[in-house]
Amino acid sequence: AQSVTQLDSHVSVSEGTPVLLRCNYSSSYSPSLFWYVQHPNKGLQLLLKYTSAATLVKGINGFEAEFKKSETSFHLTKPSAHMSDAAEYFCVVSVSTRGSNYKLTFGKGTLLTVNP
Amino acid sequence: DAGVTQSPTHLIKTRGQHVTLRCSPISGHKSVSWYQQVLGQGPQFIFQYYEKEERGRGNFPDRFSARQFPNYSSELNVNALLLGDSALYLCASSFRPQTGLTDTQYFGPGTRLTVL
Repeated sequence: AQSVTQLDSHVSVSEGTPVLLRCNYSSSYSPSLFWYVQHPNKGLQLLLKYTSAATLVKGINGFEAEFKKSETSFHLTKPSAHMSDAAEYFCVVSVSTRGSNYKLTFGKGTLLTVNP
Repeated sequence: DAGVTQSPTHLIKTRGQHVTLRCSPISGHKSVSWYQQVLGQGPQFIFQYYEKEERGRGNFPDRFSARQFPNYSSELNVNALLLGDSALYLCASSFRPQTGLTDTQYFGPGTRLTVL
């Protein structure tokens, strides 16, 4: 069964320092992977997605993620954190439900805190 | 363009009651999925509908049901509410059922259900 594991429930960084949010996946085939962000009392916003076209994926707001098959990882990074990046981040894998239909399976989330 | 809209934004019910949540997808999107997000957890898949047919169902009891209308809007119904049904209910739309490769699901702001 396909699944994702977010290795840190909470990451705290200072403004202007790099961000690293870690995600490992489990899949019997090449998966589709996503990172979504959820700000307090808001819905989920797609940051980026991997669909096998390129292993380094660039997303919105300066975020990027690298798909590493040998390590089964899809870590999210950003060179310099901004206060507005404080939110909950979810690593997500697309999982087959029936035939060619898929559902999203979410990790438990990583809460990013950015300190001034 | 309007994004995914959900109504109501907040709802308070008592145990044993019934609730109906509504979702309007992005214009042109034909697939709607429902997710339940319990506080402190990642969203969990409940249903996916496409062209008014159920295309996927998560591990939820029969108290949960849904339907999709000809205009592609959707309703999620929950009968005999339990305290554990308290959660944020998210609706997501996509052009077609998630095929695992290219389609992206766009989320609405959610309906916060509190069961007392």
